[in-house]
Amino acid sequence: DIVMTQSPDSLAVSLGERATINCKSSQSVLYSSNNKNYLTWYKQKPGQPPKLLIYWASTRESGVPDRFSGSGSGTDFTLTINSLQAEDVAVYYCLQYYETPYTFGQGTEVEIK
Amino acid sequence: EVHLVESGGGLIQPGESLRLSCTASGFTFSNYWMHWVRQAPGKGLVWVSLINPDGTITSYADSVKGRFTISRNNAKNTLYLQMNSLRAEDTAVYYCTRSGAYVDYWGQGALVTVSS
Repeated sequence: DIVMTQSPDSLAVSLGERATINCKSSQSVLYSSNNKNYLTWYKQKPGQPPKLLIYWASTRESGVPDRFSGSGSGTDFTLTINSLQAEDVAVYYCLQYYETPYTFGQGTEVEIK
Repeated sequence: EVHLVESGGGLIQPGESLRLSCTASGFTFSNYWMHWVRQAPGKGLVWVSLINPDGTITSYADSVKGRFTISRNNAKNTLYLQMNSLRAEDTAVYYCTRSGAYVDYWGQGALVTVSS
């Protein structure tokens, strides 16, 4: 199974500052035939289902604010939230869909400093 | 608008069975892969199972293999998860999710509590 490891487990960021979340996979999730990274990012607020933010590691889902961006390839990925807003307080998860079983990172809790 | 609505959750004793349903609307259900993902109270997300559009391909997490069965009825736009021999560690919110190439939409979830 591909193990997904997020860091840090939690972080506190001041309003308007940048939050950076890392996700590392135990093996590459880059599919060579189409040059796509099979990785998504989700945001989950308490009591709500996760919401898709980023797919193919770096493509922002329609309607997601452009302060959210994804980067990385192969085994190392980053979700960046520029100019953190109060509504960004949540837990963020990465997911690899390169192969089954699909596997999630353990989650990163973002709060306001 | 895409809607996924889970039902069938509840309190059940260890060793018993339960079937979850997920009713889909707002998209052509028969064109999409579907998944179940669960989340134990206060814990992270865990993928459980998937099924392809015509129901001929399924896959399971090791933790539920042999006990859970995923299925679908495309005529009824409904996804199912038959859960047998339930254990305390199966206690979780179970989410129904859709994927084209990637998991995009999620239902609100159904809580399954396994306890005596």
